[in-house]
Amino acid sequence: KNEVEQSPQNLTAQEGEFITINCSYSVGISALHWLQQHPGGGIVSLFMLSSGKKKHGRLIATINIQEKHSSLHITASHPRDSAVYICAVRGGSQGNLIFGKGTKLSVKP
Amino acid sequence: NAGVTQTPKFRVLKTGQSMTLLCAQDMNHEYMYWYRQDPGMGLRLIHYSVGEGTTAKGEVPDGYNVSRLKKQNFLLGLESAAPSQTSVYFCASSPLEDEQYFGPGTRLTVT
Repeated sequence: KNEVEQSPQNLTAQEGEFITINCSYSVGISALHWLQQHPGGGIVSLFMLSSGKKKHGRLIATINIQEKHSSLHITASHPRDSAVYICAVRGGSQGNLIFGKGTKLSVKP
Repeated sequence: NAGVTQTPKFRVLKTGQSMTLLCAQDMNHEYMYWYRQDPGMGLRLIHYSVGEGTTAKGEVPDGYNVSRLKKQNFLLGLESAAPSQTSVYFCASSPLEDEQYFGPGTRLTVT
């Protein structure tokens, strides 16, 4: 069983829709990261959180430590949001990041 | 600031050849990492460094060596390349255990 599971694997949405990507993990963690990988391959950190909720523009990330679950929400989605969104947790014996396989999002105009 | 840069961007090697990938960061970050990304899998940590002169093994270190002689540079070496090392390699850096800044990646093909 993977330590970090994301759902869905693929997601297609129409422009303007509200989008939710989920991340569940099975290890104790000190922090959870959301990253965005552009179609060209570059990876950008979106959020790092250890409790509660963070908001940046149209993106919102939440985490429930008790349920070992995090969500990434995108409001008023736009084609430029099309990317792979990756969840990663800092945990395990070495304390390094453990990555999910990513959710590929495609937003159609 | 250039952020995190990687050299080269693309490389094709024959089995058994050696090469070194260079990662450089200009943000004075203590921590640096080398990851590989393969289709259908999450990023996997190869080696990492928590400071100049230190290195440690990650999840998939076999077949790779690293060095961090200068704080700003982290080198990844393949002594005898194998087809299983065909992958996209990402370097990242971070100020301690904080958000990581990634390089643009190096696409390596071993034939």
